[in-house]
Amino acid sequence: EAGVTQFPSHSVIEKGQTVTLRCDPISGHDNLYWYRRVMGKEIKFLLHFVKESKQDESGMPNNRFLAERTGGTYSTLKVQPAELEDSGVYFCASSFGLFNTEAFFGQGTRLTVV
Amino acid sequence: AQSVSQHNHHVILSEAASLELGCNYSYGGTVNLFWYVQYPGQHLQLLLKYFSGDPLVKGIKGFEAEFIKSKFSFNLRKPSVQWSDTAEYFCAVTRSSNTGKLIFGQGTTLQVKP
Repeated sequence: EAGVTQFPSHSVIEKGQTVTLRCDPISGHDNLYWYRRVMGKEIKFLLHFVKESKQDESGMPNNRFLAERTGGTYSTLKVQPAELEDSGVYFCASSFGLFNTEAFFGQGTRLTVV
Repeated sequence: AQSVSQHNHHVILSEAASLELGCNYSYGGTVNLFWYVQYPGQHLQLLLKYFSGDPLVKGIKGFEAEFIKSKFSFNLRKPSVQWSDTAEYFCAVTRSSNTGKLIFGQGTTLQVKP
């Protein structure tokens, strides 16, 4: 069974540019989460999809971040325009249920904004 | 503020030494507790989890953790570490009142010297 996959694994962009990160969850997992780890800090929650609906987007830093999950399958996270402080590792995770369940993580996308 | 705290940011051990990584959380109510590990160049993977029942849980690769409710702790242990245990370890919590999102500690980097 394929795990959670993220693309790209690395991205280096200039300040002001746009970047789109993609996450393919495990098939059948309705729940999809985005997390971010800024260097030296803890991994922080960004948002949660249940199928195609945003269940909780309380962790999104600002309106430069836009997440979508069309059709309830893969998800994209777009940063437009990117700022230096957006640099970090973006993780995606998926799970079958909400509580008493395990989340499976992708390998992460390392975003560097220069 | 409510949070998850890992006591050590960087631990260096020799092979065969015993390991204990501390984790405390500050949430009331029902929680699920996790330890995740990230080996160099790999994705986050689950070491072990506690949902309910026996507070001493065993995970993969000889790791175990003990949930002590009165101390709000979930410390990770391994009697004898190996060089291959070199990795970053994350304690995380989900709460029954939220949507399954993980709240992470800061992470502990473990370096095992051969």
